[in-house]
Parts: sequence; C-alpha cells; structure tokens
Amino acid sequence: AQSVAQPEDQVNVAEGNPLTVKCTYSVSGNPYLFWYVQYPNRGLQFLLKYITGDNLVKGSYGFEAEFNKSQTSFHLKKPSALVSDSALYFCAVCRLDTDKLIFGTGTRLQVFP
Amino acid sequence: KAGVTQTPRYLIKTRGQQVTLSCSPISGHRSVSWYQQTPGQGLQFLFEYFSETQRNKGNFPGRFSGRQFSNSRSEMNVSTLELGDSALYLCASSWDPGNMNTEAFFGQGTRLTVV
Repeated sequence: AQSVAQPEDQVNVAEGNPLTVKCTYSVSGNPYLFWYVQYPNRGLQFLLKYITGDNLVKGSYGFEAEFNKSQTSFHLKKPSALVSDSALYFCAVCRLDTDKLIFGTGTRLQVFP
Repeated sequence: KAGVTQTPRYLIKTRGQQVTLSCSPISGHRSVSWYQQTPGQGLQFLFEYFSETQRNKGNFPGRFSGRQFSNSRSEMNVSTLELGDSALYLCASSWDPGNMNTEAFFGQGTRLTVV
C-alpha cells in the first residue's frame, strides 16, 4: 500500500531563514514524488516532482526537495523564506501506471516578518 | 492552454439532495481524478477516469459516483447528501500524450456546503 506522512501540522519560520517541510513515504517499487502548495481559496499548485535521476530536485518559487531513498524521505526546502510562502503544503506519491496521487495530510507553513 | 475548470465554484445544498459537479480538464489530458478535501481528513482520493472508464476508486460509499465523456470532461455526482459531505472537491487532470507530463494539474475546486 502507498502512504505519505507529513509529521508536522504546522511549521513556523522567520522571513529570511531557511525552511524545511518534512515528508516520508511508503510505496512498493519506484516512487514518484510530488510537492503541491495550496493558497487560501485556491486549488493545488504543482511545485516540483521527483521521477528519476538527480536526488536534488529544483522547483517553482525557489523551492527544492531532496529524495533520500534510504530514509524514504522527500523533504521540501528553501534557503530563505518569504512571507508570501505562507500556505498549505502537500506531499504526494504515486505509481505512474495508476495516476492515483496519495497525499499527506498537509503542513501549514507560516512565515513571520 | 486553459487550466482545469471546475463548475460551480460554490454550492449550498440541503441534506438528502443530490449534486453534480463538473470538471473540464486541460486540453489533451485524458485522465481526470477527483479528490475531497476536508479539515479533518485532508485530501482523499475519490476516483480516476481515463478514456471514459473508471480506472481507480477510493474508499468512498456508493453515493459518490462519476463519469467521463468522450471529450474528457468529467462529472461527479453525490446522492442523498449528508452533512459530512461538506468539503472542497478538487479535480485534477494529467497525461498530455504530447509531452508525457506526469504531474497533475488541479482546478480551483468546488466548495460544497450541506445544510
């Protein structure tokens, strides 16, 4: 069975500081991993994905994520947080043959000025 | 390309009624998935349609159903509405045969309130 865990309901960080939003996964076979962001009253927006290749994936808005197979993790990172990064972040995993995304419960990122 | 379009954006229904939500995927996308988002349960997968066939189904009761038309547009129906069905319903489209994109593109959702 596939599953995704986001252990933190909320992450607070000061503007300008680095941020990390954690994600671990469980899936049979090779994982396809995604990060999405949801702003208030909006649908989900794609940030980045890992399919294969380089373990460090760079995405939109300066975000990046590192795939760690041994720790089954795919943490989202940004070197310098902005207040405008405050939103709900979802990690997701899928098998390519199903197009079925399994989402984590989401982590609310709050960036303080 | 236009994005994923969901209509209506907001709905208020009473218990026992039924509701139909619509989703128009990105042009060229053949897969449409539906998700329910609630504060308590997070994002949960409802079902996925590909070329007019239901290919995957989540753990929801039979009151939740859907279909996909030949133009890839999809509808989701919920019958005998319950208060607990109040949620944001998100539609996602994926698989552009030309670019083999694998990420899903989401619509803004339909917020359903059952009173």
